[in-house]
Parts: sequence; structure tokens; C-alpha cells
Amino acid sequence: GIQVEQSPPDLILQEGANSTLRCNFSDSVNNLQWFHQNPWGQLINLFYIPSGTKQNGRLSATTVATERYSLLYISSSQTTDSGVYFCAVEDNAGNMLTFGGGTRLMVKP
Amino acid sequence: DAGVTQSPTHLIKTRGQQVTLRCSPKSGHDTVSWYQQALGQGPQFIFQYYEEEERQRGNFPDRFSGHQFPNYSSELNVNALLLGDSALYLCASSAGHKTYEQYFGPGTRLTVT
Repeated sequence: GIQVEQSPPDLILQEGANSTLRCNFSDSVNNLQWFHQNPWGQLINLFYIPSGTKQNGRLSATTVATERYSLLYISSSQTTDSGVYFCAVEDNAGNMLTFGGGTRLMVKP
Repeated sequence: DAGVTQSPTHLIKTRGQQVTLRCSPKSGHDTVSWYQQALGQGPQFIFQYYEEEERQRGNFPDRFSGHQFPNYSSELNVNALLLGDSALYLCASSAGHKTYEQYFGPGTRLTVT
């Protein structure tokens, strides 16, 4: 099956700093989503981005499908950005999402 | 517009027992997928239901079974519970069963003692 790797696994930032999270995947994909999992376990949709670039406030994402990676940018980080960020992909063969291991982000005040 | 809902929120069971978890999809969605998330890991796909049929299954034993009802809601059943079944169980819904954005519910946290 498709492999999804996220980096870095852990990230500690000072409030106001910028960061880039990376997601590499091993095969072509039909779907790629970025999620933020809050401390209560809820997965919150950030971006549905199988290709191209999208922006939503302080967050933006870029997927380069031909090179099999996606980037999530967080600018001017806030303490409420803390949590785990997951990248998940759906390959051409099926309709299940395969998740990466996540990036655990802590933003300090 | 109601999002994906799941019940119960928390559940404690004993090894060998059976459990049923429930999910109602987001309004307008007809496809439900179930995922298991062990502590410290990413969610893993269990199976997906569309048109009341199991369309795809991940690498989970037959102890895990499911059902989808005509109103698109779904149940996940786990028989002969093991300690290793302790996890957060997440339900996701989408409009269609191929290549559509999935939305997740808040999850059911199952503890097996």
C-alpha cells in the first residue's frame, strides 16, 4: 500500500513564529487532506488539496503531486495551533485514507 | 448543518465482550468510513460503507464488522474484545465513495480492561 511520511515528528515553537510541515507519499494520489487533531481527539479539516495551493487565514498548503509531497505552512503561530497535524492520502486504487504518523506541534507563549 | 456525530463518547468493556459504536454522517453525505486510532499513532482504516454495503476493508480481523442503514447512519461492531482493541474509534463521512473530502466525527474512546 501507499506509504505516508511526515516531518518533523515533533516541533516546538515560540508564539509568533512560522513553520513548515512536510508530507511525502510513495505513489500517485487522488486525494490529500491535512487535519489538525485537538487534545480531545477531534480531527478538524484544514485543507482538501490533491494538487495546487490553497490558503485559509494564517494557514496555507501546497501539494506537488508529480513530486509526491505536500507542505503545510503555519504563519504567526498561536498557542491554539498546538496539537497534532496529520496528512492523509487516498491512492488511485481505493477510497480509504492512509494517514502519516503526524507532526506534534507545541506553541509556547 | 449538523456535522458527523458518534455515540457513545466513552466506553469501558471487559475482554471477551462485544461492543457496538454508532455514527451519523454529515447532512448530505452517503458514505461512512471507520478508523481506529491507537494512542500516539495515526488513524488506521477499518472499512467503508456505501449503499448499505461494505465497499473496502483494511487489515482488520473478522471480529470487526459493520452495518449501514437506509438513512446512511452506520454501526461498528467488535466481538471478543482484546486489550489491544483499546483505542479511539473515528467515523468519517463523505458525499460519494470515491475521491471526496472526508469529515470526521469526535470519536468514541474505547477502553478494554
